[in-house]
Amino acid sequence: DVKVTQSSRYLVKRTGEKVFLECVQDMDHENMFWYRQDPGLGLRLIYFSYDVKMKEKGDIPEGYSVSREKKERFSLILESASTNQTSMYLCASSSAQGHNSPLHFGNGTRLTVT
Amino acid sequence: GQNIDQPTEMTATEGAIVQINCTYQTSGFNGLFWYQQHAGEAPTFLSYNVLDGLEEKGRFSSFLSRSKGYSYLLLKELQMKDSASYLCAVTDSNYQLIWGAGTKLIIKP
Repeated sequence: DVKVTQSSRYLVKRTGEKVFLECVQDMDHENMFWYRQDPGLGLRLIYFSYDVKMKEKGDIPEGYSVSREKKERFSLILESASTNQTSMYLCASSSAQGHNSPLHFGNGTRLTVT
Repeated sequence: GQNIDQPTEMTATEGAIVQINCTYQTSGFNGLFWYQQHAGEAPTFLSYNVLDGLEEKGRFSSFLSRSKGYSYLLLKELQMKDSASYLCAVTDSNYQLIWGAGTKLIIKP
């Protein structure tokens, strides 16, 4: 089974702090994604990556950056955390075989910015 | 704009059948997914439809009508463990996933 592991389940940070959310997958997937999930809204794509050192902006990249130095690891960075970035963050991966491979998600990181 | 609509919440009885609808307006269509998400957990893949018709997988079935921009997820013989949110997502012409807000299904004994 594919395992996608997010480093923290819960995080509390202060406004202005730099925050790192880590995600590791163990199935050699090419594609990795970062989403945020807020009540009443669908999943919103922040950034994605189809290969090592490659990154593409999603629908809401403002205030975020990413890093993919190794195939299995995709990091989300909040350069200066703000209260409106309080959310559930979900990492996902998928195989590059076909455009419609299902996503495999991590358990999420619930981030609170105070 | 692109839009996916699903009911916010539904309630059903253990042992019964429930149908969760999803309608979409997207720039093109390249497939529709259903995911299940238990509270506090990761979404997990349930089904994928790209052609019209019904796909059956055990107690769960998913239906697609591309001409109507419509899908439903049918859950039979409901069990308490089926209490979860069900997410509908459509792949558009650029193979980008568009997500609905999810339907919270509550199962009562």
